[in-house]
Order: sequence, then structure tokens, then C-alpha cells
Amino acid sequence: GNSVTQMEGPVTLSEEAFLTINCTYTATGYPSLFWYVQYPGEGLQLLLKATKADDKGSNKGFEATYRKETTSFHLEKGSVQVSDSAVYFCALSRSGTSYDKVIFGPGTSLSVIP
Amino acid sequence: EAGVTQFPSHSVIEKGQTVTLRCDPISGHDNLYWYRRVMGKEIKFLLHFVKESKQDESGMPNNRFLAERTGGTYSTLKVQPAELEDSGVYFCASSPIDGYTFGSGTRLTVV
Repeated sequence: GNSVTQMEGPVTLSEEAFLTINCTYTATGYPSLFWYVQYPGEGLQLLLKATKADDKGSNKGFEATYRKETTSFHLEKGSVQVSDSAVYFCALSRSGTSYDKVIFGPGTSLSVIP
Repeated sequence: EAGVTQFPSHSVIEKGQTVTLRCDPISGHDNLYWYRRVMGKEIKFLLHFVKESKQDESGMPNNRFLAERTGGTYSTLKVQPAELEDSGVYFCASSPIDGYTFGSGTRLTVV
């Protein structure tokens, strides 16, 4: 079946450090891939997405590239800030439309310290 | 535009009691979804409404869970009777065509 695996946390970084959160997926067909973020006390927010191979999603300095050959969608940011502290979820949607359910990874908690 | 609203934000109940969670989607969104995150694990799909009809309820864990969507507007998720393993965060999301909007979630603690 379809599934998402991401690196276990928690991850603690100093401000301005480089961030990578690894994500790999298993899916039939050509899923859409997402990164969602949950800031403390808030709901899930879509951070970025990519709908086909080699697409790069980007937002707020975060980037992730859809790599079909390695079935990966790693999240990166060149210089993290304290305000980036949150839980990050890698996810996929099988058919690529919003009608279809989203399958999430377990989440990676990120803490950025000054 | 108002977002997806969930009530209550927190609920603590005793094992065996009943709890009802509510979700108000964004007005005009036909698609409404329930998800939950249990014990810090992955967020799992529970069910999907299209208007008032259940499109997919394959993720509902057992018959102690009952979801309804009155008139295709707000939705409720009732847990009766609640068990310890039901503790977690329950998320609701709504969608028109392109993209989900999630609510802040209801944190349910069963003691």
C-alpha cells in the first residue's frame, strides 16, 4: 500500500543552521507530494507541494524536490530561524487531487535554538 | 474567509464516556475529512464526506466512532464509549477542488 517514511526526531538546530528532513514514499502510480507544518497551538498548514517528478516545491525558504528515481521528497532550508520550530509532516495523495485522502508520515519535530 | 473551525479545542473524559467533536468547514466546501494523530504517530485518515454523503469511511477504527454531516454543512464525530487508545488529536479538513484547509484540531484525552 501507499506509505510515507520520514526521519525520526526530535531535531534540534541552532539558528542559521542548514536543515534537511528526509522523506521517502511508497506509492503506486504518480502521487502528489506535500510537506505540512504544525506550529505550536495551531492547525496543519500546507508548506509546499509538488505534483510530478522533478518538480520543486518552495515556500518561506523551504524547498523539496520530487525525486521519482529515489522515491524521495526531502525538505531543506538553508538557514533556519527560531520561528521555524514546529512539527513537519511529509505526505502524499494518491491521485493528485484534493478529493483523495492524504497519507502522512509520522512527523518530525524541529526545535531551533537562538 | 473564515477557516476550518473545530470544537472543543481540548477535551478530557473518562473511559466509557461519550464525546462529540464538531467541525465547521469553510463555507461552500463540499469535501470534509476527518483525520487523527494518536500517541505522536502519523496522522491517519478516518473518513471523507462529499456534502452530506460518506464517500470513504475506510479509516474509521471501529463502530464506537460515528460521523455525521448534517445538511452538508458542519460535521460531528462521536466516540461512544471512549477508550484509552482513542486519545490523540483529531483534525478536520475541508476542500473545494484544489488543496486542503485543516482546522486546529481537538486534543482528546481519555483517562
